[in-house]
Amino acid sequence: EAEVAQSPRYKITEKSQAVAFWCDPISGHATLYWYRQILGQGPELLVQFQDESVVDDSQLPKDRFSAERLKGVDSTLKIQPAELGDSAMYLCASSLESGTVYEQYFGPGTRLTVT
Amino acid sequence: TQLLEQSPQFLSIQEGENLTVYCNSSSVFSSLQWYRQEPGEGPVLLVTVVTGGEVKKLKRLTFQFGDARKDSSLHITAAQTGDTGLYLCAGASSWGKLQFGAGTQVVVTP
Repeated sequence: EAEVAQSPRYKITEKSQAVAFWCDPISGHATLYWYRQILGQGPELLVQFQDESVVDDSQLPKDRFSAERLKGVDSTLKIQPAELGDSAMYLCASSLESGTVYEQYFGPGTRLTVT
Repeated sequence: TQLLEQSPQFLSIQEGENLTVYCNSSSVFSSLQWYRQEPGEGPVLLVTVVTGGEVKKLKRLTFQFGDARKDSSLHITAAQTGDTGLYLCAGASSWGKLQFGAGTQVVVTP
């Protein structure tokens, strides 16, 4: 069964350092999402791509976060510099449009700890 | 800000008991999805409901979408320890954007 791949699964970094996360969506899924999930809360959308184009990045802290999906397939999310408050689970999801329904499939996530 | 309110926040029951969790919003959604998430893992899609009043069954899980497409419920019959997890509802708007609730943590003890 096809799955969304993410790496690394865990990352510990010191504040002010740069960190990057990678996501490979399910083959054929044009839409890719990056979410941040703080413990005890639901995921919150950071950025949404349709193929290689950004559809929504209204919640992405653009002073320190960047995301790209250059060839419309895999994607990278970067944080520079990392802050203590960035400690969270970073989730990637992909979806295939079926009419007006977009069912999202999530990867296992990257647990980030900033010290 | 979570526009979807889930209740209760936490639920602990014994194996064999029934439970219901709720998802409420003041917004209308084109569809609503339920996910289950285990610690350290990503959410896993359980079901998508689209039509107001729709009821879907997945083995012992029954999902209902409100007539006005603003609320939903998940009922589990004869809960098992494998049902333990964080249950998340998510409402879909345009372009497939999902708005998640904070989740209901369900613990089923033997």
